[in-house]
Amino acid sequence: SYELTQPPSVSVSPGQTATITCSGDALSKQYAHWYQQKPGQAPVLVIYKDSERPSGIPERISGSSSGTIVTLTISGVQAEDEADYYCQSEDYSGTYRRVFGGGTKLTVL
Amino acid sequence: EVQLLESGGGLVQPGGSLRLSCAASGFTFSSYAMSWVRQAPGKGLEWVSAVSGSTGNTYYADSVRGRFTISSDNSKNRLYLQMNSLRAEDTAVYYCAKEDYSSSPYFDYWGQGTLVTVSS
Repeated sequence: SYELTQPPSVSVSPGQTATITCSGDALSKQYAHWYQQKPGQAPVLVIYKDSERPSGIPERISGSSSGTIVTLTISGVQAEDEADYYCQSEDYSGTYRRVFGGGTKLTVL
Repeated sequence: EVQLLESGGGLVQPGGSLRLSCAASGFTFSSYAMSWVRQAPGKGLEWVSAVSGSTGNTYYADSVRGRFTISSDNSKNRLYLQMNSLRAEDTAVYYCAKEDYSSSPYFDYWGQGTLVTVSS
């Protein structure tokens, strides 16, 4: 079955830049999307189609793609950015299955 | 404003059944695919099932196929998930999510979730 791989955790100091990666065999041919989830809350879409930002999401949150790896970058990290982040894509076998990465806990030191 | 409100969660014994409901508003419900996504306690997100708005076709994760049934009522703007033969590993918060599709499917709106606990 298709899998997306993320690092379990990333830690950065306030004001620094956080990068969270997501790797998957089909990501060179398919888009990935990113969600932010804070404790006790529902996930929120922060990036879609690798690098598009929904309205209301700050410009310091950005996404990029290179080969089979997509990257979520948060510049000038703030305490409020501490959350779990999940990448998501589509199973490339045509089964309609939506796949999530295992999630990355971003800790602001 | 898009709103999704889940209901129907609760405590159920292994082997039992439960029906979740999601009330949708703020968009043309019949024009979009809708999904259920779950999150076990302390774990990550898992896509469970989806129904196409245009065709009514349904899709399931392997872990629930044959036990869960997704359906929608466009006249009531409601999404449902009938869960049968429940197992302890089905314990999770279940989210209703609206799917958008612009070259690739993603979830642009989520409900607040409803907790399902399978335990004796």
